[in-house]
Order: sequence, then C-alpha cells, then structure tokens
Amino acid sequence: DIQMTQSPSSLSASVGDRVTITCRASQSISRYLNWYQQKPGKAPKLLIYGASSLQSGVPSRFSGSGSGTDFTLTISSLQPEDFATYYCQQSYSTPNTFGQGTRLEIK
Amino acid sequence: QVQLQESGPGLVKPSETLSLTCTVSGGSISTYYWSWIRQPPGKGLEWIGYIYYSGSTNYNPSLKSRVTISVDTSKNQFSLKLTSVTTADTAVYYCARRAVAGSNWYFDLWGRGTLVTVSS
Repeated sequence: DIQMTQSPSSLSASVGDRVTITCRASQSISRYLNWYQQKPGKAPKLLIYGASSLQSGVPSRFSGSGSGTDFTLTISSLQPEDFATYYCQQSYSTPNTFGQGTRLEIK
Repeated sequence: QVQLQESGPGLVKPSETLSLTCTVSGGSISTYYWSWIRQPPGKGLEWIGYIYYSGSTNYNPSLKSRVTISVDTSKNQFSLKLTSVTTADTAVYYCARRAVAGSNWYFDLWGRGTLVTVSS
C-alpha cells in the first residue's frame, strides 16, 4: 500500500493568514492526488483533484501543487469557515489511501 | 442534484454481519463507480472498496476476506456487507461517488455518513 504522510498534524493560524499543508507519498504517484476538507460531524468535501484542479464551487483561495511524491495545499487567505481538518488521498493505485489529516485551528 | 443517503442498523453485535445500503437520488446509479469509506471515531479515513454499476468490484485487501459490495440498479442502490465484525469496525460509514478526470479518480459526492457501533 502507498503511505500518505501529512505535515503538520495540526496547525494554528489566524483569519487572513496564508497556510500551506504538505502531503508526501511513500512512492511516486504522478499527479494522482486529491485534497478534502472535513468539518466536525460532516462528510469530507472534495477541494482539489489531480493535484491542482479546483473542484467546481470551491473558492479560488484554495490551490494545490506538486507531483511525484511531494504535494501541497495552500489557502491564500484564511477565512473563518476554513477551520477544519484536511486530508490528502492518492488514487494512483488501490487500495486508495488517505493521509492522517491536518487539523487547522484558530489561533 | 444527486444525493447519497446511507441506511442500516446503528448497532451490530461482535461476530455478526454489518449491512448498510446507500440510496442514490436525483440521478442514475449507472455510468459511475460507487464506494464505501469509513472513519473510526476521532481517526482518519479508510477506503473499503468500490463497485461499478455493472457489478465489478475492487476491495481493500485489508478487508477483502470480510467485505461484499453489491448493486441494485433497479432500486438505484448499492450495499455493503462486512462479516465477523469486531469493535475495531466501529466507525462512521460513508458512501461516495467515484468520479474521474483523465485517469485521476476522486470521491466527488458523499453521503452524510452513518455511525455503526459494534458492541454486545
């Protein structure tokens, strides 16, 4: 199985901050990397697919980059509704695997 | 607008079989792949498997010996059965649609999730 490792595991930031979350794969996955946002008690929501494509309806302050083994999710200017847990997921091979999550908290 | 809704018992006894159904409304179950994903309380996400409307399946090897996913196109539903459950199977179970762009697959539509507790 391909292991996905996110860093940091948790992060405190303020409204308006620029935030970057990193995801590393245990082997090259090309650009088969997706990002999700999950709020407490809710299902995950797709933000980014194919490493950098923005899902329809997702604000443009979210962006993704990377290829191979290293990927990043960037939020350019944090809004109050962005405080949540973020997961990366590889779709290069099955079993599809997720990172352990990055919890983004209000400072 | 397509929506997914999980249904099934919220409590299952150890060694018994967990059974859940996902109903797809507002669109056809045909032409897409459909998945089950679970999340133990306070933990991360685990992909269980997927099924195509034609019935072809792919399961997580860690669960493969205990999992069956099936589809009923006449009811626009797909189902999950997990046998010989233990307390480690306690989780929120999500059904999700598996979509593709190019050759990249992703989960673009999710149900609200249903908590299944394994306890005697």
